[in-house]
Amino acid sequence: KAGVTQTPRYLIKTRGQQVTLSCSPISGHRSVSWYQQTPGQGLQFLFEYFSETQRNKGNFPGRFSGRQFSNSRSEMNVSTLELGDSALYLCASNSGGPLGYTFGSGTRLTVV
Amino acid sequence: EDQVTQSPEALRLQEGESSSLNCSYTVSGLRGLFWYRQDPGKGPEFLFTLYSAGEEKEKERLKATLTKKESFLHITAPKPEDSATYLCAVGDSIQGAQKLVFGQGTRLTINP
Repeated sequence: KAGVTQTPRYLIKTRGQQVTLSCSPISGHRSVSWYQQTPGQGLQFLFEYFSETQRNKGNFPGRFSGRQFSNSRSEMNVSTLELGDSALYLCASNSGGPLGYTFGSGTRLTVV
Repeated sequence: EDQVTQSPEALRLQEGESSSLNCSYTVSGLRGLFWYRQDPGKGPEFLFTLYSAGEEKEKERLKATLTKKESFLHITAPKPEDSATYLCAVGDSIQGAQKLVFGQGTRLTINP
């Protein structure tokens, strides 16, 4: 059974640019969440999607946005990149059961 | 606001030396206490979910327990391959949309 797939694995962007990250959940999982992980703040919740609807959003500026497609694949976008956006961005999917979220390996974003 | 505090921040043990990691939390209503393991450069790997005080779960050398205010991850006779960062998270659900609030993690090193 394939796990959660995130692409690309690594990205280097320049301040002011925008970036789009992609996540393919486990087949059959309809809930997809995004998290940002940094050494200083740890893992922080960005947003959660279920059946193409954003149900929950973390405390991040509007530069961070996302969407989910009808096949449950999700993308997140960060516009006007800042140096502080450098982080590991993790996607996780859930079937709605008690087993918790399954995380992907993440996309390492570096803003220079 | 939900808060999760893990201690210690780092722990170094000899192979075979048992110990416990602590996760204390404050939540308005617990909707699951999750333990994850994270290896460098990878996403968190799900270990356990606990829902009610008194609940215990085991997997190989790991055992997780839950009280009303904290959870412990007991590691019995650890091996070098148990070296990783162990993350604790509480589930917070709004209209069925669950998000995880993570602690900062405990970095565990097992020396051979």
